[in-house]
Amino acid sequence: AQRVTQPEKLLSVFKGAPVELKCNYSYSGSPELFWYVQYSRQRLQLLLRHISRESIKGFTADLNNGETSFHLKKPFAQEEDSAMYYCALNMDTGRRALTFGSGTRLQVQP
Amino acid sequence: DTGVSQNPRHKITKRGQNVTFRCDPISEHNRLYWYRQTLGQGPEFLTYFQNEAQLEKSRLLSDRFSAERPKGSFSTLEIQRTEQGDSAMYLCASSRGLREAFFGQGTRLTVV
Repeated sequence: AQRVTQPEKLLSVFKGAPVELKCNYSYSGSPELFWYVQYSRQRLQLLLRHISRESIKGFTADLNNGETSFHLKKPFAQEEDSAMYYCALNMDTGRRALTFGSGTRLQVQP
Repeated sequence: DTGVSQNPRHKITKRGQNVTFRCDPISEHNRLYWYRQTLGQGPEFLTYFQNEAQLEKSRLLSDRFSAERPKGSFSTLEIQRTEQGDSAMYLCASSRGLREAFFGQGTRLTVV
């Protein structure tokens, strides 16, 4: 069965420091990976997906099939990046039923 | 707000009672998903619809749970004979085909 693991429940950094939110997955096929973000009192929203290979709000994520990882990175954290981040996997593009990790709370201190 | 709308936002019920939640997707979104999220966990998939057809149900969806999407528009999720373990945030999401899914703000259920 597919699984998404986010090993850190909380990541606290200072403003301007680099950020890396870890995500590992287990799935035997070719998954589609996503990062979702939830800011305080807001709904869950898509941040980025691996197939787009884009940078959103300065964040990037590279799918590493060898290490089965999809870590989220940003070189210089901003206070407004403080939020809950969820890594998610879609094992079948026909379904779009996502398997989420348990989330990492990012706190960016001034 | 033209996003996904869920009602009610909060529901407190006594154990054994039935509850029903409603989700209004974004207009013209043909796919609708239900997820459940418990404290400290990510959302867990429950079921999804394409138009009015319920195409898949998770093993998490016990016999006490039923979802409908009449006419392929809004959807309801009913839980019969609620148990304390049903306490969670219930999230709805919708998408146009395989495009990005947009989430609602959720209905928080507390079973006392």
